[in-house]
Amino acid sequence: GQQVMQIPQYQHVQEGEDFTTYCNSSTTLSNIQWYKQRPGGHPVFLIQLVKSGEVKKQKRLTFQFGEAKKNSSLHITATQTTDVGTYFCAGRSGAGSYQLTFGKGTKLSVIP
Amino acid sequence: NAGVTQTPKFQVLKTGQSMTLQCAQDMNHEYMSWYRQDPGMGLRLIHYSVGAGITDQGEVPNGYNVSRSTTEDFPLRLLSAAPSQTSVYFCASSPGTGPVMDQPQHFGDGTRLSIL
Repeated sequence: GQQVMQIPQYQHVQEGEDFTTYCNSSTTLSNIQWYKQRPGGHPVFLIQLVKSGEVKKQKRLTFQFGEAKKNSSLHITATQTTDVGTYFCAGRSGAGSYQLTFGKGTKLSVIP
Repeated sequence: NAGVTQTPKFQVLKTGQSMTLQCAQDMNHEYMSWYRQDPGMGLRLIHYSVGAGITDQGEVPNGYNVSRSTTEDFPLRLLSAAPSQTSVYFCASSPGTGPVMDQPQHFGDGTRLSIL
């Protein structure tokens, strides 16, 4: 079945440093979604990428979808303590699939 | 507008007991799903439904049953609880299926379940 791998599993950064998490799929994805989960909370949708090579920005967050639609990344510039949490990518392998497969997530800690 | 509501928030069970985790959404979403979250394992799909009367298995369905008699409700039943089912359970919904499947998932607050 489809596998979505995410690295790193953990990342500790000083406040103000940049952060990147990477997501790789074993199959071509029809789209990829990114979620953030604060400690003790539930996943919250951040963004969806659909097109090959797509890049989207949300303030300090930059999301990219690979040309082959098998990988994606989330980059945070100048991290803040409010960025703390676990970031998940999730993808579907095709238009006929109703299953969304999540990566294991990257847990971000920000040291003030 | 409450969104996705899960009850209970916490539950402790003994091995072999059965229980139902409730999930209700008031957004008229067609698609609903159940995930379990274990440390280091991310979110794994248990069961999902694309509409009332239609359910299907996800990645880890064993030991769980679901039904979807209405658009709003999607309960998850543990038939005979086992310690391996200790986890945090999230219910999620999204607006549509088919071409509109690619919509954000709205998650409930979760149920933290411990099985002794």
